[in-house]
Amino acid sequence: DQQVKQNSPSLSVQEGRISILNCDYTNSMFDYFLWYKKYPAEGPTFLISISSIKDKNEDGRFTVFLNKSAKHLSLHIVPSQPGDSAVYFCAASETRAGGSYIPTFGRGTSLIVHP
Amino acid sequence: NAGVTQTPKFQVLKTGQSMTLQCAQDMNHNSMYWYRQDPGMGLRLIYYSASEGTTDKGEVPNGYNVSRLNKREFSLRLESAAPSQTSVYFCASSTSGAYNEQFFGPGTRLTVL
Repeated sequence: DQQVKQNSPSLSVQEGRISILNCDYTNSMFDYFLWYKKYPAEGPTFLISISSIKDKNEDGRFTVFLNKSAKHLSLHIVPSQPGDSAVYFCAASETRAGGSYIPTFGRGTSLIVHP
Repeated sequence: NAGVTQTPKFQVLKTGQSMTLQCAQDMNHNSMYWYRQDPGMGLRLIYYSASEGTTDKGEVPNGYNVSRLNKREFSLRLESAAPSQTSVYFCASSTSGAYNEQFFGPGTRLTVL
C-alpha cells in the first residue's frame, strides 16, 4: 500500500502562472518531507524540503506547504517557467532507531509548462 | 567534484546473464542507496547501506545483491537477470541521519531480453 501518494500523474500550466503539485501521506510518523525534480535521462535532484515542525518553507519561486492534520503537502511554483517542465517526486521519511533515514517516494507528477 | 557516478549508462542483457552495476560518490557520504524506477511506479528502494560495512534490504530486494566495497563505492549485482528487472537504476548517497537530502547519479538503463 502506498504511503506517499501523488494522485495527479500530470499537470499542464501556462508560463507565468502558478503550478501546484500535491502529495498525500498515510504514515503519521513521517517527520521530514522533500521534493525532487527529475529531467529525462537524468537522476533526480533535490529541490526543497520541510520538517514537520514547520508548515511552510520558501526558496525563491518554490514554496512547500505542510498540513499535518490532513497529512498533505503541496509544492507551489510561482511564476512557472518552461524550464520547470519535469517530473516532480514527493518523498517522506521518519527518523528510525539507530539514526537510519529511509525516504519513501511517491510515483511522481509530470509538470509541463507551456510558453 | 563528480558527485555520484554510475557505470554503465546503458546495458542490454539476455535472460539468465549476470552483471554488476557500479556506483561511486566523492562527497564523503556515509549512506548509499540503490533504487529502480519503472514507468508509473516512482522510485523503489532495492537496498541501502547506512554506513560502510552495513547493508539492508529495501522494498524490492529479490533478485539483487549489493556490496559496500568501501565508503565511496556501492555496487548492485544481478546474478541471473530476468525481463522483470528491465528498469532504470539509480544510485544515491547522503550524509547520515535525518533531514538530509539524497544526491542521485545519472542512472543506468537496463534492458533484459
